[in-house]
Amino acid sequence: LAKTTQPISMDSYEGQEVNITCSHNNIATNDYITWYQQFPSQGPRFIIQGYKTKVTNEVASLFIPADRKSSTLSLPRVSLSDTAVYYCLVGLYSGAGSYQLTFGKGTKLSVIP
Amino acid sequence: NAGVTQTPKFQVLKTGQSMTLQCAQDMNHEYMSWYRQDPGMGLRLIHYSVGAGITDQGEVPNGYNVSRSTTEDFPLRLLSAAPSQTSVYFCASRPRDHYEQYFGPGTRLTVT
Repeated sequence: LAKTTQPISMDSYEGQEVNITCSHNNIATNDYITWYQQFPSQGPRFIIQGYKTKVTNEVASLFIPADRKSSTLSLPRVSLSDTAVYYCLVGLYSGAGSYQLTFGKGTKLSVIP
Repeated sequence: NAGVTQTPKFQVLKTGQSMTLQCAQDMNHEYMSWYRQDPGMGLRLIHYSVGAGITDQGEVPNGYNVSRSTTEDFPLRLLSAAPSQTSVYFCASRPRDHYEQYFGPGTRLTVT
């Protein structure tokens, strides 16, 4: 399984842009990257997914360099409600359309007023 | 749609007891998975299924059994509970050709 590494925690003030980087050195050609957000006592919620270069949706951007050994989740202008744990997830393609999915240990983001 | 539902929400077991955690989804998703979450460990994949009748092991399968007789249901069985299985268990599902997983609300299990 591809191993992922993320910072354990980050602090940010409201209104700032937050960038969380995940390392996945063993990612293979057919693997994909997704990020999830988790609030206490809830299941994780999908934020964004990408394969290469840059992906943007209404809540975040995902930057993936050409070598794909890392990815960066960017949250623009965070608010207190963005305080949560963010997980980097690498999809390992294991053939026949079957993917094993590996979560990182997560980054606890604390947004400060 | 109810999405992914899990029962029970909470459960306390004694060592050696058995039980089944229930998971159901009404989105007709082919893929379903079980994860456990321990403090400081993130989520770890226990078992997963790519369709009815097909299951496979994840990262931490020991002590757990699964079956997938229907598209909707994916129960997780603990045959002989151990204190090391104290955790929060999440079930998830997704369509075959889509990367977004939908998670249930979780089951908090304590084994004494």
